[in-house]
Amino acid sequence: KQEVTQIPAALSVPEGENLVLNCSFTDSAIYNLQWFRQDPGKGLTSLLLIQSSQREQTSGRLNASLDKSSGRSTLYIAASQPGDSATYLCAVAIMEYGNKLVFGAGTILRVKS
Amino acid sequence: NAGVTQTPKFQVLKTGQSMTLQCAQDMNHNSMYWYRQDPGMGLRLIYYSASEGTTDKGEVPNGYNVSRLNKREFSLRLESAAPSQTSVYFCASSEAWGQGYNSPLHFGNGTRLTVT
Repeated sequence: KQEVTQIPAALSVPEGENLVLNCSFTDSAIYNLQWFRQDPGKGLTSLLLIQSSQREQTSGRLNASLDKSSGRSTLYIAASQPGDSATYLCAVAIMEYGNKLVFGAGTILRVKS
Repeated sequence: NAGVTQTPKFQVLKTGQSMTLQCAQDMNHNSMYWYRQDPGMGLRLIYYSASEGTTDKGEVPNGYNVSRLNKREFSLRLESAAPSQTSVYFCASSEAWGQGYNSPLHFGNGTRLTVT
């Protein structure tokens, strides 16, 4: 059974710092890996989707990498801002179930001004 | 552009009561999903509809039923609510579903359900 783990569970950094969020998964048979952002009391917003054939995706200050063989992904946030404070979740689309996603529990990020 | 709209936003039920959570999307997406989110456990798939007219069980379907009313709407019904169903429920949609198809999910803002 696919399991997705995110470390750390919570992170607090000063504004301007570059940071890395980690995601690991147990089964490398995936279609894609997605990173989401969730603000308190809100739904999830898709940030980046990395296809299984890709190594990384970039959007603005965000860069996500994927290493299928080791079952790891990282989300790099450059020059963090207080507005980046949110919960970040990763999810993998597992081959056994088509496009369905298995989610990690998330990393709660706080960027202090 | 409303995206994915869920109603109600909050609900309190007593054990044994029934209710239906409503979801509608205006992005002409083919696939729709219901997830529940519990503290420390991430989101878990309850049911999904790959396309209009089809529904399938996800990881945690017991105690729930769904209806894909049309391409826009996908409802989740709790026939006899239990305290274990206290959770935040999210509806999501994607352009398509299928092995190898890479389609981001779009989520609603959730329904916070408490069963006493």
